[in-house]
Amino acid sequence: ETGVTQTPRHLVMGMTNKKSLKCEQHLGHNAMYWYKQSAKKPLELMFVYSLEERVENNSVPSRFSPECPNSSHLFLHLHTLQPEDSALYLCASSQVHSYEQYFGPGTRLTVT
Amino acid sequence: RKEVEQDPGPFNVPEGATVAFNCTYSNSASQSFFWYRQDCRKEPKLLMSVYSSGNEDGRFTAQLNRASQYISLLIRDSKLSDSATYLCVDSGNSGGYQKVTFGTGTKLQVIP
Repeated sequence: ETGVTQTPRHLVMGMTNKKSLKCEQHLGHNAMYWYKQSAKKPLELMFVYSLEERVENNSVPSRFSPECPNSSHLFLHLHTLQPEDSALYLCASSQVHSYEQYFGPGTRLTVT
Repeated sequence: RKEVEQDPGPFNVPEGATVAFNCTYSNSASQSFFWYRQDCRKEPKLLMSVYSSGNEDGRFTAQLNRASQYISLLIRDSKLSDSATYLCVDSGNSGGYQKVTFGTGTKLQVIP
């Protein structure tokens, strides 16, 4: 599969569960991003990894924990989430010195 | 003031019409601008970059006005397939990485 892939595409979890979202890019990029998209709100940047180092954490609660083991893979580990965390979580990638980002299809998360 | 502001719409236009969206940005240091397109329940996809000199791609024309801090997107001869939400994006260097800020989007509905 080409481009940016994300798994799972849909996830329902209870507030006490622990789950992980996975993102993989096949574009040879070296920067990766996690965004949250809630209804009627702009895309919110959560985390940025540039050359596998985290360079931005936009005041995201600690119940969200990113991991970037290499330039092609990005994870978002979730634990003790709240119902208001229900949203579409999008992964994107780009070259470090480019502003053009390519998005994965997203994981639609519902916290019950 | 929001960093990137767009009229949410919806803009309902008949097939074949010309429609234009504006977007204002607050950061005068922003360096690059883009329009993304997002279909319902799908990820954003890069539509086009916006240059000071203007950028045209088929039926789509993007313009940047730095003095007034706005960008525009013009769609000529609207097609049903143009129905989507159009996201305005500004970007600039922030702490060594390319920070990208999305607007909430303008919804376009092309009517037969």
